[in-house]
Amino acid sequence: KNQVEQSPQSLIILEGKNCTLQCNYTVSPFSNLRWYKQDTGRGPVSLTIMTFSENTKSNGRYTATLDADTKQSSLHITASQLSDSASYICVVTTISNFGNEKLTFGTGTRLTIIP
Amino acid sequence: DGGITQSPKYLFRKEGQNVTLSCEQNLNHDAMYWYRQDPGQGLRLIYYSQIVNDFQKGDIAEGYSVSREKKESFPLTVTSAQKNPTAFYLCASSIGGSSKETQYFGPGTRLLVL
Repeated sequence: KNQVEQSPQSLIILEGKNCTLQCNYTVSPFSNLRWYKQDTGRGPVSLTIMTFSENTKSNGRYTATLDADTKQSSLHITASQLSDSASYICVVTTISNFGNEKLTFGTGTRLTIIP
Repeated sequence: DGGITQSPKYLFRKEGQNVTLSCEQNLNHDAMYWYRQDPGQGLRLIYYSQIVNDFQKGDIAEGYSVSREKKESFPLTVTSAQKNPTAFYLCASSIGGSSKETQYFGPGTRLLVL
């Protein structure tokens, strides 16, 4: 069972509208959380990274929030553009007792922007 | 995609055949990774390397092999032992092996079984 759950699985919105994507995780102990954007048939590109002490991080029209207490993160996209159509992947890093890092990838939210 | 290239874009494998996927980076990154992406699943780590001539198994290494003879190159071989190889394969690199370092992904190779 994937311990990083994203919702919704897919989302369709009109160009210019805002949207929010959700990421809930159960993995622990938490080290950091990253959001990636993946265009169809391409590799993911990092949007933001947040550590335990950060609760918000912006990258242009993308704003990520993190609530480490409830183990939830969201990615808010403002004034959507056609080029925002992509899959958005949440990745949570944990650290084992031996200090090894492990990345757990969510299954992604497929966002489609229509004109 | 930055300075990471993967080839070929599409690859077809016959039953019992070994195939090798190429990954090259000119970013001078020490760490390189191979992931597999299947529909409805998150990326899964196959192998990673933090330094030349050293690599470690990821979560799903069975049926795969790698080498890291040069800093720039991290080829992945899908052997005949991998019974379900059809997937999208992504190579990535980062400056170091810490998760705080951004991983830069290549454009991917889609492997199909004939």
